[in-house]
Amino acid sequence: GNSVTQMEGPVTLSEEAFLTINCTYTATGYPSLFWYVQYPGEGLQLLLKATKADDKGSNKGFEATYRKETTSFHLEKGSVQVSDSAVYFCALARGGAQKLVFGQGTRLTINP
Amino acid sequence: DAGVTQSPTHLIKTRGQHVTLRCSPISGHKSVSWYQQVLGQGPQFIFQYYEKEERGRGNFPDRFSARQFPNYSSELNVNALLLGDSALYLCASSPAGSYNEQFFGPGTRLTVL
Repeated sequence: GNSVTQMEGPVTLSEEAFLTINCTYTATGYPSLFWYVQYPGEGLQLLLKATKADDKGSNKGFEATYRKETTSFHLEKGSVQVSDSAVYFCALARGGAQKLVFGQGTRLTINP
Repeated sequence: DAGVTQSPTHLIKTRGQHVTLRCSPISGHKSVSWYQQVLGQGPQFIFQYYEKEERGRGNFPDRFSARQFPNYSSELNVNALLLGDSALYLCASSPAGSYNEQFFGPGTRLTVL
């Protein structure tokens, strides 16, 4: 079946550090891939997405590239801020299906 | 524009009771999906409704049911509550024709004692 595996957390970094959160997936066909962010006490917000191989999604300084050959969609940011502290979820959806399959989430804490 | 709204925000129930959670999608969105997020885990898909019809169902027991109304709002019902049903229940809405672009509400925190 379809599944998403994320880097184990929690991750703690200093402000302005480089961030990578690893995400790999298993799916038949060609899924769309997403990163969602969940701030404390809030619901999920779509951070970025990519719908086909080699697409790069980007938003708010975050980037992720859809790598079909390695079935990966790693999240990166060049210089993190305290306000980036949140839980990050990698997810996939097959074709036109509305069903999102999420990873277990990675808690990120940025210290000033 | 208002985002997805859910009510109530928090709810405490005891085992065996039933619960109804409500969701109002973003104006113009015709699809609503429900997810269960147990503490420390990623959300799990429960249902998807589009134009008042069930279009998808996750691996949840029949105690879970849902429906969508003519105004596209939705209810999630859970009967015979178990301790393991304690979770954050998230509703997400999507515009018609925009597959996979889902917008999430803040969730309802259900605690079963």
